[in-house]
Amino acid sequence: EDKVVQSPLSLVVHEGDTVTLNCSYEVTNFRSLLWYKQEKKAPTFLFMLTSSGIEKKSGRLSSILDKKELFSILNITATQTGDSAVYLCAVERGNKLVFGAGTILRVKS
Amino acid sequence: NAGVMQNPRHLVRRRGQEARLRCSPMKGHSHVYWYRQLPEEGLKFMVYLQKENIIDESGMPKERFSAEFPKEGPSILRIQQVVRGDSAAYFCASSPTEGQGYEQYFGPGTRLTVT
Repeated sequence: EDKVVQSPLSLVVHEGDTVTLNCSYEVTNFRSLLWYKQEKKAPTFLFMLTSSGIEKKSGRLSSILDKKELFSILNITATQTGDSAVYLCAVERGNKLVFGAGTILRVKS
Repeated sequence: NAGVMQNPRHLVRRRGQEARLRCSPMKGHSHVYWYRQLPEEGLKFMVYLQKENIIDESGMPKERFSAEFPKEGPSILRIQQVVRGDSAAYFCASSPTEGQGYEQYFGPGTRLTVT
């Protein structure tokens, strides 16, 4: 059965800290891995990763995929209170996205 | 370009009633996906539709749930005889083409509460 596992389940940090969120997967017919940020509303797209070892970067956020070990990490540097959200990892399999349960990040000022 | 629209945003139903959730995809998008998010869990795929066709309903419960995407109008997710376990957030996503995950744009969701 397809499985996407995120860790940790929740995390509390102080502003300015760096965080690393983990996502491991076991999915047949893998096409890509995606990261979303969800704040009490629609998940908003952050990154799509298809190739191993190529870092995607957007401001203070970056992500990388390891297709051999079947995992991805999402890094956030110099965290701000606005980064508080649920971060979802999803793997594209055919027509559907298979989501992990998410990591709840809370950044304290 | 308006995003994906869902209504209602909140819906309260008593056990045994019917719930109808609507999703209007982004302009130009002809592919619609429905996901369900239970408390403390990630989104779970339910069904993928194109105009007038159900392409993949492998995530949808066999009973009481149905979905349609007519030629005109929004996609509808229908839940008959709701039970407490149906309480969840239901998200719709749309895409212009098939299967490219990053092109799935999500709506704000409908939060269904069954009392």
